Amino acid sequence: QKEVEQNSGPLSVPEGAIASLNCTYSDRGSQSFFWYRQYSGKSPELIMFIYSNGDKEDGRFTAQLNKASQYVSLLIRDSQPSDSATYLCAVKRTGTASKLTFGTGTRLQVTL
Amino acid sequence: NAGVTQTPKFRILKIGQSMTLQCAQDMNHNYMYWYRQDPGMGLKLIYYSVGAGITDKGEVPNGYNVSRSTTEDFPLRLELAAPSQTSVYFCASSYTGETDTQYFGPGTRLTVL
Repeated sequence: QKEVEQNSGPLSVPEGAIASLNCTYSDRGSQSFFWYRQYSGKSPELIMFIYSNGDKEDGRFTAQLNKASQYVSLLIRDSQPSDSATYLCAVKRTGTASKLTFGTGTRLQVTL
Repeated sequence: NAGVTQTPKFRILKIGQSMTLQCAQDMNHNYMYWYRQDPGMGLKLIYYSVGAGITDKGEVPNGYNVSRSTTEDFPLRLELAAPSQTSVYFCASSYTGETDTQYFGPGTRLTVL
């Protein structure tokens, strides 16, 4: 079992729709969860982080965390073509000197 | 602030050659990291450093070496390049503390032929 799993996609959604990106992790000791966006040929950039169970909203983005189910998701409302990118889920385990374990990413395509 | 900078942007090496990938940050971050990303894959941690003079191995350290003589710089050395080291290399840095947000450099695309 991979430490951090994501569906590679592509996930295709029409413009204006809600995109739902999912991530599961295997280590129950994980404490912090991050979503990075990576455009083709570019470096990852942080969208959101979440530590506590529940939802965290920032503009059009909502991160959801369920530690009991070892599941974290990212919702993108009112999806725009500029949201088309690969979304990387990353997990930090307790006592790991801020080291992150990344999933392989989900490619999102927002269609006109 | 320039953030995290990396040089070179592109490089082609022949098998057996050596090179150093440069990374610098001007955010006074104490933690720095080197990752590699193969096509269609996530990021794999090569080495990391929690401060000047302190480095440790990540997930895929074989074939690489690092040093951290200053807070700002964290070079990655490839000795005896192999085709398996063809990849995109990203350097990142972060504060310690609550958010642990990592900031990435623009990357170096390395091809070993």
